[in-house]
Amino acid sequence: DTAVSQTPKYLVTQMGNDKSIKCEQNLGHDTMYWYKQDSKKFLKIMFSYNNKELIINETVPNRFSPKSPDKAHLNLHINSLELGDSAVYFCASSQDRGGHREQFFGPGTRLTVL
Amino acid sequence: AQTVTQSQPEMSVQEAETVTLSCTYDTSESDYYLFWYKQPPSRQMILVIRQEAYKQQNATENRFSVNFQKAAKSFSLKISDSQLGDAAMYFCALSTNFGNEKLTFGTGTRLTIIP
Repeated sequence: DTAVSQTPKYLVTQMGNDKSIKCEQNLGHDTMYWYKQDSKKFLKIMFSYNNKELIINETVPNRFSPKSPDKAHLNLHINSLELGDSAVYFCASSQDRGGHREQFFGPGTRLTVL
Repeated sequence: AQTVTQSQPEMSVQEAETVTLSCTYDTSESDYYLFWYKQPPSRQMILVIRQEAYKQQNATENRFSVNFQKAAKSFSLKISDSQLGDAAMYFCALSTNFGNEKLTFGTGTRLTIIP
């Protein structure tokens, strides 16, 4: 059983388009995250949700809008895609907001903007 | 603000040998947690080992152990008896508690295992 799943795994699109990435976790966790990994493999937090409530927003452009319909899902919608948005996007979840908790990562979505 | 620094972009080790990956960090919090995550070519991020800052004893998980030097803000990972499956990017990460529980990652070290 996949603990944290993301769809799609690969996304190729043109500049200016709008796209969404979906994430689901079946671990019963309360907290979910979006991370961005750039071409140099650097990973940076974008957003964090706890029980559907936004708790961390790391100065991400407002073209990026996360949505959590329930605590098992956290989707990421990106408007007006730019070349610099090309990256691998990882969804993760943890049992709760405790800093000691292991975060379980999805397989990543490689977004390529042409 | 918290930062994590990995000064070794690449390391290599002979199979069955021991290798140590370095990590230094900075945080103003007294209560924090340190992690090593592994990212193999499959891209899947996997937790290798975790250390609570309040614990003086170094964490150990089978062939993986850490050398946690709190005063020096150093957190190195030792891999013993290296295996081909250990080849991956290794990321050091830091987390604090409620309100800032995101993982702050270092830039990673690519580990190659030489058969």
